Amino acid sequence: EDQVTQSPEALRLQEGESSSLNCSYTVSGLRGLFWYRQDPGKGPEFLFTLYSAGEEKEKERLKATLTKKESFLHITAPKPEDSATYLCAVCKNRDDKIIFGKGTRLHILP
Amino acid sequence: NAGVMQNPRHLVRRRGQEARLRCSPMKGHSHVYWYRQLPEEGLKFMVYLQKENIIDESGMPKERFSAEFPKEGPSILRIQQVVRGDSAAYFCASSPRTGVYNEQFFGPGTRLTVL
Repeated sequence: EDQVTQSPEALRLQEGESSSLNCSYTVSGLRGLFWYRQDPGKGPEFLFTLYSAGEEKEKERLKATLTKKESFLHITAPKPEDSATYLCAVCKNRDDKIIFGKGTRLHILP
Repeated sequence: NAGVMQNPRHLVRRRGQEARLRCSPMKGHSHVYWYRQLPEEGLKFMVYLQKENIIDESGMPKERFSAEFPKEGPSILRIQQVVRGDSAAYFCASSPRTGVYNEQFFGPGTRLTVL
């Protein structure tokens, strides 16, 4: 069964304390893996797409990496405004819907 | 360049009433997706539409739910005879194309409360 599992469910960090969020997936034929950020009461905001193992993408304090079984979202020296729920999702070959994980709730303390 | 627009943002219905949720995709996007998010749950795919066509409705309940994306106007998600279990946030996303790239951009959502 196609599945996306994110860990940890919640993470509290001090401002400036770097860490990583994990997304493991089991799908038959990966077309793409996506990372989104979701703030309370809002829709998911697109961050990255990764297509193949070994690929990396960066945006400000965030860096996403991809292997054949998992993806990591690395957060370097986070700030309180990075607090949000981070969602991982995958799209399969010959399919158009996205399968989401339940997300990691990140809270950065000032 | 307006993003995906959804309305209403909040909708309250009594059990048995109908709910209509609207979604206008980003300019230039002809692919629309509807997702439902229950409290403490992830986003779940419901239906994928292109103009005047339902492409994939595998995630949509067989009864009471329907969706359309007419040639002109917004996409509509319609829930008939709502029940308390339909209370959730409903998100619409749009995409410019299929093929290799399938980044989907989400609207702000409609929060449906069934009393």
